[in-house]
Amino acid sequence: QVQLQQWGAGLLKPSETLSLTCAVSGGSFSGYYWSWVRQSPGKGLEWIAEINHSGSTNHNASLKSRVTISRDTSKKQFSLKMTSVTAADTAVYFCAARKEVLVWFEELGKELPRGNNWFAIWGQGTLVTVSA
Amino acid sequence: DIVMTQSPDSLAVSLGERATISCRSSQSLLYSSNDKNYLAWYQQKPGQPPKLLIYWASTRESGVPDRFSGSGSGTDFTLTISSLQAEDVAVYYCQHYYNTPPTFGQGTKLEIK
Repeated sequence: QVQLQQWGAGLLKPSETLSLTCAVSGGSFSGYYWSWVRQSPGKGLEWIAEINHSGSTNHNASLKSRVTISRDTSKKQFSLKMTSVTAADTAVYFCAARKEVLVWFEELGKELPRGNNWFAIWGQGTLVTVSA
Repeated sequence: DIVMTQSPDSLAVSLGERATISCRSSQSLLYSSNDKNYLAWYQQKPGQPPKLLIYWASTRESGVPDRFSGSGSGTDFTLTISSLQAEDVAVYYCQHYYNTPPTFGQGTKLEIK
């Protein structure tokens, strides 16, 4: 049973860099896409970025210029860095996992792996507040 | 980006009664190649992360009580709780995974009447 435990600084000043890390336990680091999702009263749940075990990444275009997602397979950890934070980045940040599943494609006559799925596993969340 | 819109924003239902939450997407979530709808439902209680309830629009996650069911296709989907229990008080979210970025509905707050 894969579990996620996250940590990072909870209080930042405007223009500082947000840094969060999530550790994976109870299962393999491969076979999943590891994501960061944030939740704020104003914007609800917002997917930020993801990385898989081989280092392939996807980003939300709205945040891509400020976001770096990375992973350390030896430690089974993945991390988020977001630069130049403002009050608008105040939110609860969750790490989350999407398991790669095989999906049937009729026109191809075969199953293919797909990581863009549902978020089956979540970390406990970290409240990040940006305030001068 | 695909926009997910839930209705209502809040809902009060008596214990034992049926609760119905709707979710509409700005484009179809039905992939014709495999006849699957790329939609999930989550339950979130205060101070907790979202919990997966349903995926592929109607497949219940392991361990989720069978009073929770999902239905719909294309752009219109429904989460139904057949007999509301006190522990079902929460905010419910739909989420598409048809393409990137995955996006969520704004949430529906479910309370006891």
